[in-house]
Amino acid sequence: SAVISQKPSRDICQRGTSLTIQCQVDSQVTMMFWYRQQPGQSLTLIATANQGSEATYESGFVIDKFPISRPNLTFSTLTVSNMSPEDSSIYLCSVVGGGSSYEQYFGPGTRLTVT
Amino acid sequence: GDSVTQMEGPVTLSEEAFLTINCTYTATGYPSLFWYVQYPGEGLQLLLKATKADDKGSNKGFEATYRKETTSFHLEKGSVQVSDSAVYFCALNSGYSTLTFGKGTMLLVSP
Repeated sequence: SAVISQKPSRDICQRGTSLTIQCQVDSQVTMMFWYRQQPGQSLTLIATANQGSEATYESGFVIDKFPISRPNLTFSTLTVSNMSPEDSSIYLCSVVGGGSSYEQYFGPGTRLTVT
Repeated sequence: GDSVTQMEGPVTLSEEAFLTINCTYTATGYPSLFWYVQYPGEGLQLLLKATKADDKGSNKGFEATYRKETTSFHLEKGSVQVSDSAVYFCALNSGYSTLTFGKGTMLLVSP
């Protein structure tokens, strides 16, 4: 399994500002994913980030609000732009493990509170 | 499309009690099935998986059997501990890279 770290682990931000979340993996991976987990809820996929191509966003998420970078096979960033209190969530990155079952391994998450 | 349904929580048990968390799914083809656990204040950890019918996934005393005939993947543990208190997510993958998650079931174990 991959070891994934995220920075920051938590933050409190003002409405209207932006926050960039970093995700670092200890091995090279093709596919990385960004999820949002709103308080008390399940995970919702924001986008899939493949190295060397534009991120693919799920319905309801747009690049202007959640720009993603994927400069190499071990690193990605997610920016939450022009934040509002509704963006208060846990943001998690994940990678696909080896093998045919496509299990995913998750980072520890970034706990964002917008005031 | 794919979907996962889990029993509503919270599930409250005393230490050493038997645990069952129900999970049923709808999917095209032959999905892989997973249980993830999220301890308070942490990210998700893969608890166990099963990739084909009748497979049994197991880890840390937890088990789940892939039942194609009932489209179920119920999580069980014979004797829970306080340290098992967490949120448990059932998930599936239909052969593509993305996971479909259930809503999660909170387990609270008291001493």
